Amino acid sequence: AQTVTQSQPEMSVQEAETVTLSCTYDTSESNYYLFWYKQPPSRQMILVIRQEAYKQQNATENRFSVNFQKAAKSFSLKISDSQLGDTAMYFCAFMKHETGANSKLTFGKGITLSVRP
Amino acid sequence: DSGVTQTPKHLITATGQRVTLRCSPRSGDLSVYWYQQSLDQGLQFLIQYYNGEERAKGNILERFSAQQFPDLHSELNLSSLELGDSALYFCASSVARDRGGGYTFGSGTRLTVV
Repeated sequence: AQTVTQSQPEMSVQEAETVTLSCTYDTSESNYYLFWYKQPPSRQMILVIRQEAYKQQNATENRFSVNFQKAAKSFSLKISDSQLGDTAMYFCAFMKHETGANSKLTFGKGITLSVRP
Repeated sequence: DSGVTQTPKHLITATGQRVTLRCSPRSGDLSVYWYQQSLDQGLQFLIQYYNGEERAKGNILERFSAQQFPDLHSELNLSSLELGDSALYFCASSVARDRGGGYTFGSGTRLTVV
């Protein structure tokens, strides 16, 4: 079974600054995918970024980037130029590769990020 | 609007009752997933359906059941409700063979059992 650990329950960052959210995971799978989801106060789950484990290059989506360390089983999210709208709960998630259909997501406990004006 | 529709948005019911939560997946998506989000358990996978068939089952209680219909919408039935069943229930959908493209989530159904 896979586990996802987010050890920091809360973080705070000043607007326009950079913040890094940590995530580690444990799996015996060799082919899998990793995700960061954002859940703002509206409670909607929004996909922020994804990483394919077989790709060495770290994924980037505008102000969001990841640091994927496969050997260390670490997958951190960096948010640059933080904005007030980034205030949300962030979940790290794992999906093992399956043929035919996407498998379930295993989520970490989440981290609450507050962006201060 | 994510394209995944969940109804109702809010539900308040008494212990011992039965409720049905409904989910319409994004157009073209064959997989539907149900998740429960509570304060103490986080986001827990309940069950997955793919093109009408149950594909994977997680921590779903025997009091809970689900199905996916020919038009691909899905229903989650919760019976003999207990106070601890109060939670946010998410439905998500994804295309087949998306190679880990991630899900699209609905806005959730907030269930309160009193």
